[in-house]
Amino acid sequence: NAGVTQTPKFRILKIGQSMTLQCTQDMNHNYMYWYRQDPGMGLKLIYYSVGAGITDKGEVPNGYNVSRSTTEDFPLRLELAAPSQTSVYFCASSYSTGFREDTQYFGPGTRLTVL
Amino acid sequence: AQSVAQPEDQVNVAEGNPLTVKCTYSVSGNPYLFWYVQYPNRGLQFLLKYITGDNLVKGSYGFEAEFNKSQTSFHLKKPSALVSDSALYFCAVRDTGRRALTFGSGTRLQVQP
Repeated sequence: NAGVTQTPKFRILKIGQSMTLQCTQDMNHNYMYWYRQDPGMGLKLIYYSVGAGITDKGEVPNGYNVSRSTTEDFPLRLELAAPSQTSVYFCASSYSTGFREDTQYFGPGTRLTVL
Repeated sequence: AQSVAQPEDQVNVAEGNPLTVKCTYSVSGNPYLFWYVQYPNRGLQFLLKYITGDNLVKGSYGFEAEFNKSQTSFHLKKPSALVSDSALYFCAVRDTGRRALTFGSGTRLQVQP
């Protein structure tokens, strides 16, 4: 098992450009999440998904979009990049039945800089 | 609302000494509590969790944490620190009835040889 994989590892964008951060998990987890981690801060939830075709906003969703067409993939889209989106982005997945939380497993992260 | 506080930005401890990393939480229902560790330029790795049952939870790499409901705390402990334990530690909480974790701001643990 590769676990949770993310691409790219690093990216520099210009203001106004768009990009998609890719996330794939091979653990057959139903829940997937996107977080951002700003320097010296904890993780903040951007969006999450409880299964294919179902997504919901987290704490900081503005400026981002997501889709979940398969169990394995959960891409995060930035449409108009802004300097405030400079951060490290982590994807995570977990298997949860109902509201009982199972452990979230994290990918290695994507470091994004917007100039 | 759910929240987590890690009151110490950094904890310094000598190798071989016991370590404690503090975490307090606030939830409206019963908490699910987690500790994660982050090494430089890496993702978060799961250490341990409290869902229900014994207040003392044992996890990976010799770490343990004690759930204290009256003090709303979930402090991470290890009897004997290693230099390799130096990393960033995050406490996280989820309230029953919610689907997302809330993370603390992290505590940097520095273990000196």
